[in-house]
Amino acid sequence: DTGVSQDPRHKITKRGQNVTFRCDPISEHNRLYWYRQTLGQGPEFLTYFQNEAQLEKSRLLSDRFSAERPKGSFSTLEIQRTEQGDSAMYLCATTLWTDEAFFGQGTRLTVV
Amino acid sequence: RKEVEQDPGPFNVPEGATVAFNCTYSNSASQSFFWYRQDCRKEPKLLMSVYSSGNEDGRFTAQLNRASQYISLLIRDSKLSDSATYLCVVTFNAGNNRKLIWGLGTSLAVNP
Repeated sequence: DTGVSQDPRHKITKRGQNVTFRCDPISEHNRLYWYRQTLGQGPEFLTYFQNEAQLEKSRLLSDRFSAERPKGSFSTLEIQRTEQGDSAMYLCATTLWTDEAFFGQGTRLTVV
Repeated sequence: RKEVEQDPGPFNVPEGATVAFNCTYSNSASQSFFWYRQDCRKEPKLLMSVYSSGNEDGRFTAQLNRASQYISLLIRDSKLSDSATYLCVVTFNAGNNRKLIWGLGTSLAVNP
């Protein structure tokens, strides 16, 4: 499968725990975006990488959220001290030099 | 004014109907435009790119109106399988960042 891959697909965690999600982009896709989506809403921008550089982070994102893309390939998104309001679908999308974004299947997070 | 706006709907249409959605954008420097389709609890998938000259793919036609700053999607002869949420996305450069701005989506229900 040469598409965008996200892991895990589902995550249930207790409030206050830390979680980490992984995104493996399409090979050679240099731009990588993380989004959060709740039911009935469009994708909400979280952060953006061009290669290994994190170029933008949403102002709405608290400091409990951090993302890395250490070698410009896969990326991780970590949420510390999870809250119930963090429950959502977390989507990763990657693009090459065109702007056509290809999404992974997402990680559905439930904080109980 | 939001950067990208869509009528959330829902649009309820009978099979065989023609339905059109619009998406307005505020940044006149926007460069690329796309329509995505998203099924319930799935990731968005690219439906069509929107070119200045307009483009057509089977029953789907997309158009761009730069003067009025909107894009449109026309679906002819609607099928039950067209029921989904349709998201528009607009891209532009902001410094070193390539921004992808998403609408909230328009919900379409095609009824038998």
